[in-house]
Amino acid sequence: DAGITQSPRHKVTETGTPVTLRCHQTENHRYMYWYRQDPGHGLRLIHYSYGVKDTDKGEVSDGYSVSRSKTEDFLLTLESATSSQTSVYFCATLGNSGNTEAFFGQGTRLTVV
Amino acid sequence: DQQVKQNSPSLSVQEGRISILNCDYTNSMFDYFLWYKKYPAEGPTFLISISSIKDKNEDGRFTVFLNKSAKHLSLHIVPSQPGDSAVYFCAASPINGGATNKLIFGTGTLLAVQP
Repeated sequence: DAGITQSPRHKVTETGTPVTLRCHQTENHRYMYWYRQDPGHGLRLIHYSYGVKDTDKGEVSDGYSVSRSKTEDFLLTLESATSSQTSVYFCATLGNSGNTEAFFGQGTRLTVV
Repeated sequence: DQQVKQNSPSLSVQEGRISILNCDYTNSMFDYFLWYKKYPAEGPTFLISISSIKDKNEDGRFTVFLNKSAKHLSLHIVPSQPGDSAVYFCAASPINGGATNKLIFGTGTLLAVQP
């Protein structure tokens, strides 16, 4: 399995506060993704990165920003958390050589109160 | 607009029988398809994949079928086992060679295999 670590694993935060989730990988994978999982919606892509400093929006990017200053770290920031952003967030990475399977972290459960 | 759809939120099957999970997609640029399995409180794990140049891929008890003209794929599990009980996600990726390699998931199907 790819070495993907998400931190924190659980977080409770208040509405209006900024929150940053971290994804760290040890596989030197080029592509990294942030997804959120919600009942009835499956896994929805928030933002993704195809290289250092190269990022783009996914399906549900409003209210989120990302940064990738080095290959191994991909940060997801909720600029001003809202209750609708209560979710389970998953980071994934994809290898460098064409189509192959993406590997997922264990997830971060975020609750915005 | 959901580009990858799994219209059955749940499926219940008896142990030993076949489980068939379905997935439809709308984007004709998708050319690589994957199935993931997810247990509660864990990240999704890769199960099986298929390229658009094939119409079938088999790995042990798991077989994925692709019908490009219908934009439909299915996952067959034979025989089903209680340990297969999980949420199954279908995913699709556009034609390789682009910078993005975006991976789009469906809504998932909860499979329950009854002993």
